[in-house]
Amino acid sequence: AQSVSQHNHHVILSEAASLELGCNYSYGGTVNLFWYVQYPGQHLQLLLKYFSGDPLVKGIKGFEAEFIKSKFSFNLRKPSVQWSDTAEYFCAVNANAGNMLTFGGGTRLMVKP
Amino acid sequence: DTEVTQTPKHLVMGMTNKKSLKCEQHMGHRAMYWYKQKAKKPPELMFVYSYEKLSINESVPSRFSPECPNSSLLNLHLHALQPEDSALYLCASSQGTTGANVLTFGAGSRLTVL
Repeated sequence: AQSVSQHNHHVILSEAASLELGCNYSYGGTVNLFWYVQYPGQHLQLLLKYFSGDPLVKGIKGFEAEFIKSKFSFNLRKPSVQWSDTAEYFCAVNANAGNMLTFGGGTRLMVKP
Repeated sequence: DTEVTQTPKHLVMGMTNKKSLKCEQHMGHRAMYWYKQKAKKPPELMFVYSYEKLSINESVPSRFSPECPNSSLLNLHLHALQPEDSALYLCASSQGTTGANVLTFGAGSRLTVL
């Protein structure tokens, strides 16, 4: 069975700081990788996804993520965070052949103004 | 219309009640999902419907009963729930039924079982 680990449970940053959230998965086959964000009181929204091709993917709001197959990782980055990025971030993995999306434990990001 | 709509937004029920959660999408998506999210935890998959047929049941207790009346609607029937079933229930849909598809989530139905 696939599993997803997010190493940072809580992250506190000041505005303009750089962000990197770690995500590792355990699954030996072909995977599809996602980052979802849940702003306070709002529904889960897709930030970005990787299916194939260029391992560096860009998403909305200046976020990007890099798929490193050898490390089973899909870390999320943003060069300069804003107060409005305060939210919970979930990494998620789906095996290519199925549609069972498995979420990591989430990282709660707080950006101080 | 690029939304997944869930009703009700909030539901309080007793352990002997029977209630239903409803989910609707008009994006022509062929897969629909129920997830359960406890406070400060990630969403956990409960059920997957592909082309209106139940394809995945993640060992969910029978007090939760899903139903997919047509390709746009997904229900979750609730009966004899326990207080530990209190959670946010999320519905999602995707265009295709394989892993290379993006799930679109609804805002959720927050259930409290007394």
